[in-house]
Amino acid sequence: DAEITQSPRHKITETGRQVTLACHQTWNHNNMFWYRQDLGHGLRLIHYSYGVQDTNKGEVSDGYSVSRSNTEDLPLTLESAASSQTSVYFCASSEGLADYYEQYFGPGTRLTVT
Amino acid sequence: KQEVTQIPAALSVPEGENLVLNCSFTDSAIYNLQWFRQDPGKGLTSLLLIQSSQREQTSGRLNASLDKSSGRSTLYIAASQPGDSATYLCAVKNQGGKLIFGQGTELSVKP
Repeated sequence: DAEITQSPRHKITETGRQVTLACHQTWNHNNMFWYRQDLGHGLRLIHYSYGVQDTNKGEVSDGYSVSRSNTEDLPLTLESAASSQTSVYFCASSEGLADYYEQYFGPGTRLTVT
Repeated sequence: KQEVTQIPAALSVPEGENLVLNCSFTDSAIYNLQWFRQDPGKGLTSLLLIQSSQREQTSGRLNASLDKSSGRSTLYIAASQPGDSATYLCAVKNQGGKLIFGQGTELSVKP
């Protein structure tokens, strides 16, 4: 079955380190999204991509970057991890942008920055 | 700027009750509205999607309605069960496929 996976599922890192979270989907969806989930804020959009070589900033993009070299993967990089980036990160994908397309979510990565 | 609000933040009901979860949004120019379920420590599972031209969608014991003009959606759960205990999130889809989420309603169904 097609799916969306994230790795690692849990990560503890130190302030100032570079961290990369992986997202891989096997649906061949063009559209991929990264969100973070925090108490009191719900899920907020970090970055998104509409296809290979396309990346866009979301609502809370400062301190994060993404790259899209193929259809299946959208890795999220924290350039210099900060305690404020402790959160649960979700990757999502969608076949299209029209109103009948759903977004499908991965299981999440819990990141702790100490 | 689109804002999505869910009320109540938490709800506890006895098994068997019918219940309604509420979602409101400030900008009616939405593409669709999705209801998700999230179990503790897990990802999001899509429950229902209502396109902007639709008024409601049903799946089993779940029924979701959409009133774009008033900026409201409701998720109706019939004959609730302990297995329905989870956090329920609504999200509106804006131009470009981006989802704006509410903060969720945490539902507890007591046996």
